[in-house]
Amino acid sequence: AQRVTQPEKLLSVFKGAPVELKCNYSYSGSPELFWYVQYSRQRLQLLLRHISRESIKGFTADLNKGETSFHLKKPFAQEEDSAMYYCALSDGLNTGTASKLTFGTGTRLQVTL
Amino acid sequence: DTEVTQTPKHLVMGMTNKKSLKCEQHMGHRAMYWYKQKAKKPPELMFVYSYEKLSINESVPSRFSPECPNSSLLNLHLHALQPEDSALYLCASSQDAHRGAYEQYFGPGTRLTVT
Repeated sequence: AQRVTQPEKLLSVFKGAPVELKCNYSYSGSPELFWYVQYSRQRLQLLLRHISRESIKGFTADLNKGETSFHLKKPFAQEEDSAMYYCALSDGLNTGTASKLTFGTGTRLQVTL
Repeated sequence: DTEVTQTPKHLVMGMTNKKSLKCEQHMGHRAMYWYKQKAKKPPELMFVYSYEKLSINESVPSRFSPECPNSSLLNLHLHALQPEDSALYLCASSQDAHRGAYEQYFGPGTRLTVT
């Protein structure tokens, strides 16, 4: 079974401060990890995925297989980063059944002045 | 067109009613999904369609009946729902259900209230 843990329900930081949203996972195979974000009154959308190894809106996330973690980081928080962030895990290539995307419980990031 | 659309935006129905939720995408995706999201909770997978065939049913009660008439459309037929079924129902699509690395594109959701 696949499981994603986000220990913080709410993370409140000041503008310009560094941000780290924690994500740990449990999966026996080779997982695909994602961060999805939901801004106020907008639909859920992909922020970044580990396979792309890219920085989006200043955010980065590194997959650490030893620690089974995929923490999301940004060096300087902006007000527009305030949103709900979900870490998600999918099983990789399946020749049999379809892949399932499992979400963590989410962390609400609040950036204040 | 890179959007998933869902209708209606809001739906209020009684426990004896029959209604349907609709989802549409024109990105050529061959995988479509239904999720249920309760307030302050993450989305929970309900169904996965791959190439218009039901691939995953996450033990969803039979009062929810999915249908995929063609590669662009996904319906969720509702009948004899319970108040605890009130939630935001999200539709999503991706290029291929068998490759977990693909991004899922989400619709805005239908907010369902069962009275």
